[in-house]
Amino acid sequence: GENVEQHPSTLSVQEGDSAVIKCTYSDSASNYFPWYKQELGKGPQLIIDIRSNVGEKKDQRIAVTLNKTAKHFSLHITETQPEDSAVYFCAATPGGAAGNKLTFGGGTRVLVKP
Amino acid sequence: KAGVTQTPRYLIKTRGQQVTLSCSPISGHRSVSWYQQTPGQGLQFLFEYFSETQRNKGNFPGRFSGRQFSNSRSEMNVSTLELGDSALYLCASSLRGRETQYFGPGTRLLVL
Repeated sequence: GENVEQHPSTLSVQEGDSAVIKCTYSDSASNYFPWYKQELGKGPQLIIDIRSNVGEKKDQRIAVTLNKTAKHFSLHITETQPEDSAVYFCAATPGGAAGNKLTFGGGTRVLVKP
Repeated sequence: KAGVTQTPRYLIKTRGQQVTLSCSPISGHRSVSWYQQTPGQGLQFLFEYFSETQRNKGNFPGRFSGRQFSNSRSEMNVSTLELGDSALYLCASSLRGRETQYFGPGTRLLVL
């Protein structure tokens, strides 16, 4: 089955700096890659997603890049703010017979220091 | 539009008991997936229901089961609870099961 590795597990940045989180996946059939942000006591909230027919997607301060050949994708947060502090998860799904099953990375705890 | 709701939010049970968790998807969404979140294993897929049928199942023992009703609401049941079942159980809904999944706040289950 699919396996998703996420690095780093923790990331501390100064407010205003950029943060980058990287994920690799194993199943070349995976075609949808969402990123979720989880704050304490809440469920994961989708922040951005990308499909395999697109190499990059941007939404304000957040961008995601996908390299299908290398089977890795990354989340970039620019001009970080204290409210960006949370745990971020990447995920992948192969679709097809696996339907909507998301395989998640282990998570990255991001701390933005004011 | 209201988001995904889960009840109860917190639950304490003892070993050997069973528990039923409920999930109401976003209005119009027909696919409901369940995930278990623990510090050690992270987020793991339990199962997915679409139009009252289980469409996918993760690698969990048969003690974990679920169902979906005609209004798309879903329940999951865990029988013969074990200490290791302590976790945050998350429900996610999507329109037809091939699109973005939106998560609820979860039910935190503590097994003593």
